[in-house]
Amino acid sequence: AQSVTQLGSHVSVSEGALVLLRCNYSSSVPPYLFWYVQYPNQGLQLLLKYTSAATLVKGINGFEAEFKKSETSFHLTKPSAHMSDAAEYFCAVSDPYNFNKFYFGSGTKLNVKP
Amino acid sequence: DTGVSQDPRHKITKRGQNVTFRCDPISEHNRLYWYRQTLGQGPEFLTYFQNEAQLEKSRLLSDRFSAERPKGSFSTLEIQRTEQGDSAMYLCASTSRDHTDTQYFGPGTRLTVL
Repeated sequence: AQSVTQLGSHVSVSEGALVLLRCNYSSSVPPYLFWYVQYPNQGLQLLLKYTSAATLVKGINGFEAEFKKSETSFHLTKPSAHMSDAAEYFCAVSDPYNFNKFYFGSGTKLNVKP
Repeated sequence: DTGVSQDPRHKITKRGQNVTFRCDPISEHNRLYWYRQTLGQGPEFLTYFQNEAQLEKSRLLSDRFSAERPKGSFSTLEIQRTEQGDSAMYLCASTSRDHTDTQYFGPGTRLTVL
């Protein structure tokens, strides 16, 4: 089975600072890759996805992520954090042999300090 | 689109009782997924349907769990003889025929087993 590792269960940044949330996956076959955001008491919302087109993917709310096959990584970045970015972020990958099945990381809670 | 809806949003039950949750996907979405999310973890795949056919079940889905999607529209997830370890958020997601990699999540049903 595919595994997804998100380094850092909690990340804290100051407002205006760079946001970097890390995600690594285990498959040798490049899967589809996703980042989702979850606000308290809400479902997950798709931020962006990589499905074998451009390796640098831009998403909503100013987030972007870069697929690096050699590093099996798909880190999420945002140049300048806003208070409204405080939430939990999940990296997800598709099963390389069944693109209809998805595996999620354990999540990273982003705290934004004023 | 009205989004994916789930009912109830919260359920408190006593150990040993049966519970049933409902998910209404986005209209005409043909795939429907159930996930379980426990505190501090990402969503774990439970099962998914394509139309009314249940295509895959996770080993996490014990015999006490059953899911149905009788008419290929809404789905129900039933847990029989609930245990305290079943306490979790149960998430539903759906995808369309044209964008099978983009999941739209509902707000979840939070189950507490006393």
